[in-house]
Amino acid sequence: NAGVTQTPKFQVLKTGQSMTLQCAQDMNHEYMSWYRQDPGMGLRLIHYSVGAGITDQGEVPNGYNVSRSTTEDFPLRLLSAAPSQTSVYFCASSYSEVREMNTEAFFGQGTRLTVV
Amino acid sequence: AQTVTQSQPEMSVQEAETVTLSCTYDTSESDYYLFWYKQPPSRQMILVIRQEAYKQQNATENRFSVNFQKAAKSFSLKISDSQLGDAAMYFCAYTTGTASKLTFGTGTRLQVTL
Repeated sequence: NAGVTQTPKFQVLKTGQSMTLQCAQDMNHEYMSWYRQDPGMGLRLIHYSVGAGITDQGEVPNGYNVSRSTTEDFPLRLLSAAPSQTSVYFCASSYSEVREMNTEAFFGQGTRLTVV
Repeated sequence: AQTVTQSQPEMSVQEAETVTLSCTYDTSESDYYLFWYKQPPSRQMILVIRQEAYKQQNATENRFSVNFQKAAKSFSLKISDSQLGDAAMYFCAYTTGTASKLTFGTGTRLQVTL
């Protein structure tokens, strides 16, 4: 049971390049989400999914795409990287809504992305 | 939109002492849930404690407890008998529960000194 696995852990991109941040969980969690963490701003929600085939936008979705073709995977795509997307990205998953008793959001280790 | 405010960017506490981290939030919802997360230098996000808004009793987990003041929209974290391993960034977070979407505060960096 690996939990939530994010790859890569570090990445440097040039402006305009595209890439996909991978997120996989092996806990059969329905709910998955992506956050970005910037200094002095906490974590902000980018996109989220409540199950395979269902995604929606969070607080800061511009410049990012997601899809959820399987329960296990929730990749985040940067189509044309910009310096403003330099951040630490976290993927999280939960079995059900975190308001449910004994339901907790599990976070990956994060991906530090630098766009130059 | 819901907002979460942590007004203390940094705090320091001596080992074995008690420290309180502040958090306020703004919401028009009556049913919501509050959390404190710990983020050590490893970047891992670790759930410390949770509080359901409908519960009047303050949550407690070992050395960690909260002071939940619903009318004042305040949710502070008290760490008793502080240990060196408590040094980390602490985030307050809020959710109504829908789709497990969390709204985070800006964080408080806690230093623990000998």
